[in-house]
Amino acid sequence: ETGVTQSPTHLIKTRGQQVTLRCSSQSGHNTVSWYQQALGQGPQFIFQYYREEENGRGNFPPRFSGLQFPNYSSELNVNALELDDSALYLCASSLAGTLGYTFGSGTRLTVV
Amino acid sequence: GQQVMQIPQYQHVQEGEDFTTYCNSSTTLSNIQWYKQRPGGHPVFLIQLVKSGEVKKQKRLTFQFGEAKKNSSLHITATQTTDVGTYFCAAHNNAGNMLTFGGGTRLMVKP
Repeated sequence: ETGVTQSPTHLIKTRGQQVTLRCSSQSGHNTVSWYQQALGQGPQFIFQYYREEENGRGNFPPRFSGLQFPNYSSELNVNALELDDSALYLCASSLAGTLGYTFGSGTRLTVV
Repeated sequence: GQQVMQIPQYQHVQEGEDFTTYCNSSTTLSNIQWYKQRPGGHPVFLIQLVKSGEVKKQKRLTFQFGEAKKNSSLHITATQTTDVGTYFCAAHNNAGNMLTFGGGTRLMVKP
């Protein structure tokens, strides 16, 4: 059983740029959720994908967008980066209707 | 949207002392999940509680879900240095497609 894999692990971008973060779900998991975690805070829900469709969205602007592919891997895209976007971005996969989310190790994004 | 509040924000204990973190919501929760995040790590699922008044144990950890399903607690007996980390509660919305995390309680254990 493979876990959730995220890439890259660290990234530095300039304000105004665009970024794509990637996530490979745990084998057999058909649902992926993305979270933003600022230092010292709890993870904040960005959105969830189920069977390649957005299935729920948190309080994030449209410049945060995503994709889920047929193999259930996923991407998080952020356009027009702002300094406040600096955070740990976590991907979590789950099997719809079952317990618990499996989190990846995250991508640490720094916007300068 | 749904909110879950956790207290305390931080807790320092001497190794061997007990520790409790509390999670509260103003609305009735369908379920509550608990996660542990080690320093520099990612959240790891510990348990889910669903039933009113439910109590579950995992070795030294005891999880409770309130009778009104509006609060939950995690109690650790005789803490060890391996218990260090931040403990989060999290709750699903009614649709089950959004898991909202509390702010977490950071546990520090002095050997």
